Amino acid sequence: GAGVSQSPSNKVTEKGKDVELRCDPISGHTALYWYRQSLGQGLEFLIYFQGNSAPDKSGLPSDRFSAERTGGSVSTLTIQRTQQEDSAVYLCASSAGYPEGDEQYFGPGTRLTVT
Amino acid sequence: GENVGLHLPTLSVQEGDNSIINCAYSNSASDYFIWYKQESGKGPQFIIDIRSNMDKRQGQRVTVLLNKTVKHLSLQIAATQPGDSAVYFCAENVSNQGGKLIFGQGTELSVKP
Repeated sequence: GAGVSQSPSNKVTEKGKDVELRCDPISGHTALYWYRQSLGQGLEFLIYFQGNSAPDKSGLPSDRFSAERTGGSVSTLTIQRTQQEDSAVYLCASSAGYPEGDEQYFGPGTRLTVT
Repeated sequence: GENVGLHLPTLSVQEGDNSIINCAYSNSASDYFIWYKQESGKGPQFIIDIRSNMDKRQGQRVTVLLNKTVKHLSLQIAATQPGDSAVYFCAENVSNQGGKLIFGQGTELSVKP
């Protein structure tokens, strides 16, 4: 069956430009997560959507970062006025739903390079 | 800032040997723990999980041990194979804080044929 998909797989952008990263979760999954992975590091939580509840934005590093989830399915992570330190792999995951840490399935990620 | 110079802990084992990967977690309130495997260029793949009411859980060729007293988690891989070569991450979750996972730094496992 189809897993979590992300697009684009690679994105190179100039400093100061805005970028949008897309995540298509597994059909029927109510929870969706965004993480960021810098080179040689573990994953850093960014934001979490669960059903119709208000998203948990506690991991967003600055107000340049925002995310939406339309219709409870596809999600877009937007980074405005990109900076070089934003360069990382952005990973999306989905799960069948909270409660308690049920298995998260990850997409392949979008590698963002800010020049 | 930049992360230049960071090196993952590495573990090198001979094919067929058992591997033990360790993880120290940070939050004593965490009650759900997961091990993920990440191959180059791919997203993390779930291996095994354990809840805080257990201290051991076994899967196929893998065992996770949890020591809540010292906040330590380990992953044991039996009869390690070249296909096990990857970076392994532990992750923790606090169930009353939603589903977000806090990941450890990761350990790179290299299996020599």
